Amino acid sequence: AQKITQTQPGMFVQEKEAVTLDCTYDTSDQSYGLFWYKQPSSGEMIFLIYQGSYDEQNATEGRYSLNFQKARKSANLVISASQLGDSAMYFCAMREKYGNKLVFGAGTILRVKS
Amino acid sequence: KAGVTQTPRYLIKTRGQQVTLSCSPISGHRSVSWYQQTPGQGLQFLFEYFSETQRNKGNFPGRFSGRQFSNSRSEMNVSTLELGDSALYLCASSLRGDTGELFFGEGSRLTVL
Repeated sequence: AQKITQTQPGMFVQEKEAVTLDCTYDTSDQSYGLFWYKQPSSGEMIFLIYQGSYDEQNATEGRYSLNFQKARKSANLVISASQLGDSAMYFCAMREKYGNKLVFGAGTILRVKS
Repeated sequence: KAGVTQTPRYLIKTRGQQVTLSCSPISGHRSVSWYQQTPGQGLQFLFEYFSETQRNKGNFPGRFSGRQFSNSRSEMNVSTLELGDSALYLCASSLRGDTGELFFGEGSRLTVL
């Protein structure tokens, strides 16, 4: 069965600094997708970044980049130049081979300090 | 471009009642999936619909059901509500359903008293 592990329950980062949120995954499939979402206290799940298992380059979206290390089965999220508005819960998720069933990690709460 | 729209945003029900939640996907998206989020269990997959057919189903009792209409809008229904059904219900839409991004709505927060 597929599994996502986020080992950092909470993280603090100073405003304007970079931060890395860890995510490891377990799957026997060769084809899969990896996602990062941000969930502020309002509850909305905001899409940040997506990486397909066959994508050769690491995905980037503005200040977000995904450090994809396939052999190590890790998909860490890097947020550069942290802002106060980045304070939220962050979820790593993996899509199974067929369809849109996502398996989520437990999440990491990020707090940005001024 | 409008995002994923879920209604109602908040609702309160009592045990034994039933509830219907609605989700309108992003225009052109044909896949709609539903998730339940609780503090204890985290985010769990309920089911997915693609072109009006249920394609995937999670491990939830039969009290949880859903459907998708020809315009891709989806509804989920929970019958005989239990206290443990109190949760944030999130809907997500995707263009195709097996690749690419998946976008969520703001969720429907259900409280069962």
